[in-house]
Amino acid sequence: GESVGLHLPTLSVQEGDNSIINCAYSNSASDYFIWYKQESGKGPQFIIDIRSNMDKRQGQRVTVLLNKTVKHLSLQIAATQPGDSAVYFCAESAMNTGFQKLVFGTGTRLLVSP
Amino acid sequence: GAGVSQSPRYKVTKRGQDVTLRCDPISSHATLYWYQQALGQGPEFLTYFNYEAQPDKSGLPSDRFSAERPEGSISTLTIQRTEQRDSAMYRCASSPSSGKGEQYFGPGTRLTVT
Repeated sequence: GESVGLHLPTLSVQEGDNSIINCAYSNSASDYFIWYKQESGKGPQFIIDIRSNMDKRQGQRVTVLLNKTVKHLSLQIAATQPGDSAVYFCAESAMNTGFQKLVFGTGTRLLVSP
Repeated sequence: GAGVSQSPRYKVTKRGQDVTLRCDPISSHATLYWYQQALGQGPEFLTYFNYEAQPDKSGLPSDRFSAERPEGSISTLTIQRTEQRDSAMYRCASSPSSGKGEQYFGPGTRLTVT
């Protein structure tokens, strides 16, 4: 299959550790944010989203934090597992595009060692 | 169907030829998106459809690119007079309705222009 992200920033963690993946966005008009996971050879898969009127949202083993002051988004993965190994993208959209036009960040490769 | 499907999965064409890529969205989904993804980067928005309407095609790189969704279900992306710089993964995604919400991505079509 294809290899996504040959030269992406890489975060290497041990199984069981907590992982934090960061994303900076540039459009101050963005008010909806999503994290996607992309495994090799597959399309991006939705993980969690957050609206700009929130600063934290939790899912199953994942937490997204939004800091609008510094235009920063992070994804925290608790008790990281080998199956979490993938490239992670943040994406943003804005009300003035009807939230249709997703703008993706550059991605971070997460490598989880057993 | 169970998910978004795309065909062909791989396409090799000679420079100057026209190509047509196909996307079958999840059957109940109103909204369909096309993205271009270069190796090592996140998907880049090309265009989207709400049923058969195409409200935004601002991401199409040139007038050689066009997309259709005549009956509000299957969509095609056509690239005329292909150039080597068109080589990329082309991804389709669909979502149940327009606006915020999860986009379900297909496996993509890998286009190589020689």
